[in-house]
Amino acid sequence: NAGVMQNPRHLVRRRGQEARLRCSPVKGHSHVYWYRQLPEEGLKFMVYLQKENIIDESGMPKERFSAEFPKEGPSILRIQQVVRGDSAAYFCASSPTGQGNTIYFGEGSWLTVV
Amino acid sequence: QKEVEQNSGPLSVPEGAIASLNCTYSDRVSQSFFWYRQYSGKSPELIMSIYSNGDKEDGRFTAQLNKASQYVSLLIRDSQPSDSATYLCAGSSGGGADGLTFGKGTHLIIQP
Repeated sequence: NAGVMQNPRHLVRRRGQEARLRCSPVKGHSHVYWYRQLPEEGLKFMVYLQKENIIDESGMPKERFSAEFPKEGPSILRIQQVVRGDSAAYFCASSPTGQGNTIYFGEGSWLTVV
Repeated sequence: QKEVEQNSGPLSVPEGAIASLNCTYSDRVSQSFFWYRQYSGKSPELIMSIYSNGDKEDGRFTAQLNKASQYVSLLIRDSQPSDSATYLCAGSSGGGADGLTFGKGTHLIIQP
């Protein structure tokens, strides 16, 4: 996983609660991507961020989901008012540049909504 | 046409044989291609990247890219039971403004 750190690894939330997933990229990587993987589905791109900027959020649901990558600290994927359909594995990946270069994945955060 | 398409399988191959995994793609993701391996409950792990037409070999793995036919394949020689996993094909537009687009993956089973 080349050093991408995600936490928590497993998170259980009741419907209506908030989920916060954190990602620290490989040291020196300034590009972060979030992907979601539903059971038996492929990885779906959600959002691409650089420090303090959202570059592409075309894969993010329009409501309840937000992402940030502050100047200091990890990238955060925030899901408000979670529903059962949000249950999935959320993978963060990072790369040194964003131009089609190899991206390296973290171990993932498994969200279960009960 | 979906941007990256793979046969979901399962693809069953006897141990020691060559496993051949295929992927087709649309024009939008036609710059860079990547093969990832994912074990159940784990994160995707990069196996190979390929950017230009032809073959690229790394150990038991060979990636093949044919831009005219818009397909990319992964060959695994001397298949081992530990190769049993889901293999994800991914493409990039190379424009830097988006992430990789993944296929749904092919489930490979190597039979001892």
